[in-house]
Amino acid sequence: AQTVTQSQPEMSVQEAETVTLSCTYDTSESDYYLFWYKQPPSRQMILVIRQEAYKQQNATENRFSVNFQKAAKSFSLKISDSQLGDAAMYFCAYRRRTGNQFYFGTGTSLTVIP
Amino acid sequence: DADVTQTPRNRITKTGKRIMLECSQTKGHDRMYWYRQDPGLGLRLIYYSFDVKDINKGEISDGYSVSRQAQAKFSLSLESAIPNQTALYFCATSDSRTQNTEAFFGQGTRLTVV
Repeated sequence: AQTVTQSQPEMSVQEAETVTLSCTYDTSESDYYLFWYKQPPSRQMILVIRQEAYKQQNATENRFSVNFQKAAKSFSLKISDSQLGDAAMYFCAYRRRTGNQFYFGTGTSLTVIP
Repeated sequence: DADVTQTPRNRITKTGKRIMLECSQTKGHDRMYWYRQDPGLGLRLIYYSFDVKDINKGEISDGYSVSRQAQAKFSLSLESAIPNQTALYFCATSDSRTQNTEAFFGQGTRLTVV
């Protein structure tokens, strides 16, 4: 079974600084997708960034980027120039390319300090 | 209007009552999911469906049932609610036929069983 581990239940960052959220996963598959979702206090689940395992290049979306290490099964999220609106719960998720289910980590609660 | 709509948004019910949570989508996606979110546990899959004739149990299906009334509608029922079913419930959709690989979520239903 696939598992997704987020070992940091809580993180904090000063406004305008950079923070990295960690995620590791366990799979025997070679082709899959990885995601980071953001859940602000409104509780809406918002896709932040997506990585396809067959792509070696790390995905980037504005201030959000990932460090995808396939051999290490690691998928960390870097938030640059942190803003107050980045404060949220962040979930890492995995889906096998031909699979049907999404597997989620336990989440990291990010606090942004003004 | 939201693409994935859940009703109700919040609900308080008594132990032993039957309750139904509803989900409808306008995205035309074939796959629909019900997840439960608990603090420290992340999102766990209750049931998922690939089309109206295909229903599958997730990792925590005990105490729940579902119905896929149409491609756009997927409801979750608690036949006899118990306090440890107090949680935030999410409906999600995905499309197996396009390059859109992520899950799209509803706004969540906060259920409290007293």
